[in-house]
Amino acid sequence: EAQVTQNPRYLITVTGKKLTVTCSQNMNHEYMSWYRQDPGLGLRQIYYSMNVEVTDKGDVPEGYKVSRKEKRNFPLILESPSPNQTSLYFCASSLSWTSGGGSYNEQFFGPGTRLTVL
Amino acid sequence: RKEVEQDPGPFNVPEGATVAFNCTYSNSASQSFFWYRQDCRKEPKLLMSVYSSGNEDGRFTAQLNRASQYISLLIRDSKLSDSATYLCVVNRTPNNDMRFGAGTRLTVKP
Repeated sequence: EAQVTQNPRYLITVTGKKLTVTCSQNMNHEYMSWYRQDPGLGLRQIYYSMNVEVTDKGDVPEGYKVSRKEKRNFPLILESPSPNQTSLYFCASSLSWTSGGGSYNEQFFGPGTRLTVL
Repeated sequence: RKEVEQDPGPFNVPEGATVAFNCTYSNSASQSFFWYRQDCRKEPKLLMSVYSSGNEDGRFTAQLNRASQYISLLIRDSKLSDSATYLCVVNRTPNNDMRFGAGTRLTVKP
């Protein structure tokens, strides 16, 4: 089954304790991205990756790191979590191509990780 | 000003009603447009892409007005199962740089 998986699904941690949220996709997608979703603010992009070893900042990258050593995996790292990083996190992946001036890039989302930082 | 703006709702409608959602975007470089559906505590899923000529998928009709930078979604004959949050999404290729609206919440009541 084609899917994006995230782990853990739920996490409660304390300020300053490093954590990693894993993301993996089995669709051979080039593009992967991390979002956080907060009430009233919608989904905001943290980091994205166009392909292996290519990552770039989104709108809200502060306090986060990512890596893309393999095509299928795109972990999100919080080196020193703080309470303002309490949020619902989604990983997403998509093909990335354009053709004849058009493009197709439906993003497939993982099930989400609900993070609470105390 | 947010790059993608939606009426947050909530929209509470009876079964069978027709409901319309609007969305405006500020970046004229936007190339692709979508409506996603998000159920409570679940991940967003693509409902439909929005094409320049307008497109229909069963009870759902999407329209795009590039001149006014405006997207709409019309749901006819609402079902209870349509209750969800609807996210307007614009994409600036080639970076797959997607911008999400905050979502419009719909509740369909018996």
